[in-house]
Amino acid sequence: NAGVTQTPKFQVLKTGQSMTLQCAQDMNHEYMSWYRQDPGMGLRLIHYSVGAGITDQGEVPNGYNVSRSTTEDFPLRLLSAAPSQTSVYFCATGIAGGRAGELFFGEGSRLTVL
Amino acid sequence: AQTVTQSQPEMSVQEAETVTLSCTYDTSENNYYLFWYKQPPSRQMILVIRQEAYKQQNATENRFSVNFQKAAKSFSLKISDSQLGDTAMYFCAFMKLPQGGSEKLVFGKGTKLTVNP
Repeated sequence: NAGVTQTPKFQVLKTGQSMTLQCAQDMNHEYMSWYRQDPGMGLRLIHYSVGAGITDQGEVPNGYNVSRSTTEDFPLRLLSAAPSQTSVYFCATGIAGGRAGELFFGEGSRLTVL
Repeated sequence: AQTVTQSQPEMSVQEAETVTLSCTYDTSENNYYLFWYKQPPSRQMILVIRQEAYKQQNATENRFSVNFQKAAKSFSLKISDSQLGDTAMYFCAFMKLPQGGSEKLVFGKGTKLTVNP
């Protein structure tokens, strides 16, 4: 049982490059989200989705795009990377109507923007 | 907007002893959820314990228990009989009642706990 799978685990980008962080889950969870974790800042919500075709912004959405075409996948796109986007990114899923707030996290993707 | 404050960036405890991690939050909501999540070194974050604000009884999960003081907006985590495997970053988190399937958590900055042998 894979759970929540994030790829890549590590990535180095140059300023202005674009890339997509992938998140896939095999638990049939309706809720999916992306957080970024920065030293001394905790986790901050970037975007989230309550089901296929539905996305919404979180606390820090600027510079990121998301889409949700299937229940299983929720990619996070950086269109023009900036050094301020250097961070560890976590995908988290949840069961709508299940134990509220119980999120299942991926292992994280460490992104460095030079 | 809700905020979550963890005032202890780092703590340490001897194996088998008890340690308490502090968390305060600010909200105007009456019904909500509170959580403690654990992030071990290089491992996935997992839920340790959750508390529903409308329940007066403090939640417990084996060696983990909370002291929930709603009026004071305080939510501390007590770890009894600490084990080396408890070494991790611990995050306190808040969530309003879910709406439309959304489960947006607001996290504190975390407390790094080290259990010493």
